[in-house]
Amino acid sequence: AQSVTQPDIHITVSEGASLELRCNYSYGATPYLFWYVQSPGQGLQLLLKYFSGDTLVQGIKGFEAEFKRSQSSFNLRKPSVHWSDAAEYFCAVGEAGGFKTIFGAGTRLFVKA
Amino acid sequence: DTGVSQDPRHKITKRGQNVTFRCDPISEHNRLYWYRQTLGQGPEFLTYFQNEAQLEKSRLLSDRFSAERPKGSFSTLEIQRTEQGDSAMYLCASSFQPTGPAAAQPQHFGDGTRLSIL
Repeated sequence: AQSVTQPDIHITVSEGASLELRCNYSYGATPYLFWYVQSPGQGLQLLLKYFSGDTLVQGIKGFEAEFKRSQSSFNLRKPSVHWSDAAEYFCAVGEAGGFKTIFGAGTRLFVKA
Repeated sequence: DTGVSQDPRHKITKRGQNVTFRCDPISEHNRLYWYRQTLGQGPEFLTYFQNEAQLEKSRLLSDRFSAERPKGSFSTLEIQRTEQGDSAMYLCASSFQPTGPAAAQPQHFGDGTRLSIL
């Protein structure tokens, strides 16, 4: 069965510092990969997605993610974090040939001044 | 694009009562999902509709849960005889893809209905 692991429950970074959120997935073929962000009391918003092609994908709000097949990883990065980036971030895998999207448990990002 | 709308935003009820939630997807979206999210966890898949057909239902969903999507537009999720463990955020999401794998399509989420069981 497919699974998604986000090893970090929470991360704190200083405003202006770089950010990397880790995501590892378990799946035999090339999966459909997503990163979503959720602010408190709200639904999830898509940041970026990867299906095939260039392994470095650009998303909204200055985020990017890199697909590394050899490491089964899809880490999210941002070169300079803003206070408004504080939220919960979810990595997700789309079930190939099916309907489901499997979400990781999330990483909560705290931004300090 | 008015977004996915969910109603109510919050529901507080006593154990044993029935509750019903509504989701209005983005108008042209043919695919609709329900998820449950508990504190500190990601959304867990509950069920999926393609147009009006319910194509998949999670084994997590007991017989107390039922979902409908009449006419392929809005959807309702009903929980009968609520239990303490039903307390969670219930999220609805929709997407549009006339063909191809549903799981390849990013989903648009509503803000959810938070259910609290007293």
